[in-house]
Amino acid sequence: GAVVSQHPSRVICKSGTSVKIECRSLDFQATTMFWYRQFPKQSLMLMATSNEGSKATYEQGVEKDKFLINHASLTLSTLTVTSAHPEDSSFYICSARDMQGSNTEAFFGQGTRLTVV
Amino acid sequence: EDQVTQSPEALRLQEGESSSLNCSYTVSGLRGLFWYRQDPGKGPEFLFTLYSAGEEKEKERLKATLTKKESFLHITAPKPEDSATYLCAVIPQGAQKLVFGQGTRLTINP
Repeated sequence: GAVVSQHPSRVICKSGTSVKIECRSLDFQATTMFWYRQFPKQSLMLMATSNEGSKATYEQGVEKDKFLINHASLTLSTLTVTSAHPEDSSFYICSARDMQGSNTEAFFGQGTRLTVV
Repeated sequence: EDQVTQSPEALRLQEGESSSLNCSYTVSGLRGLFWYRQDPGKGPEFLFTLYSAGEEKEKERLKATLTKKESFLHITAPKPEDSATYLCAVIPQGAQKLVFGQGTRLTINP
């Protein structure tokens, strides 16, 4: 399957600082990328959908000013958690879809464990 | 509303004991159904895509099947390394985003 690389895998930051998470599709072009948040022993919760070159679409209840998403190229999307607080501590996962032909599969990054202290 | 329900929530088997995981869905037109495996602290790993009723796919000890209302993930003679959470998701027609079930936590005891 296609490879999606997410970096960093773990990050610890101080309350009030910002953290950037990168998501790259390594061997395919991803016109659409997705950002998820996952709480312990729960399924994935979609935060936003980003299309290359346009503004991200946020799910209801997700603060767009806190979770800034940029999808400037067909292989890179970034999620910036601004002014992070302990309640933002979570597991964040990105996903990308290969839009060539009729493919519908979405491939996931390794995830980023964010701890805000 | 598009919905995916997985059962059971958790399943504990002995090594070699075959079983099936269920994924029931209600969706306004199915574009595709997906199975993923997720290990603790990792992102989901793609397993299968199914597109139409009657379709089956296999990979090692896993076989996925699809009907118009549900999908099964059959695990034959599982090994401890098959222990993981298995996630089912669908893409409705005309949609971009996946709709996920809550997952089944599978534990295979040696």
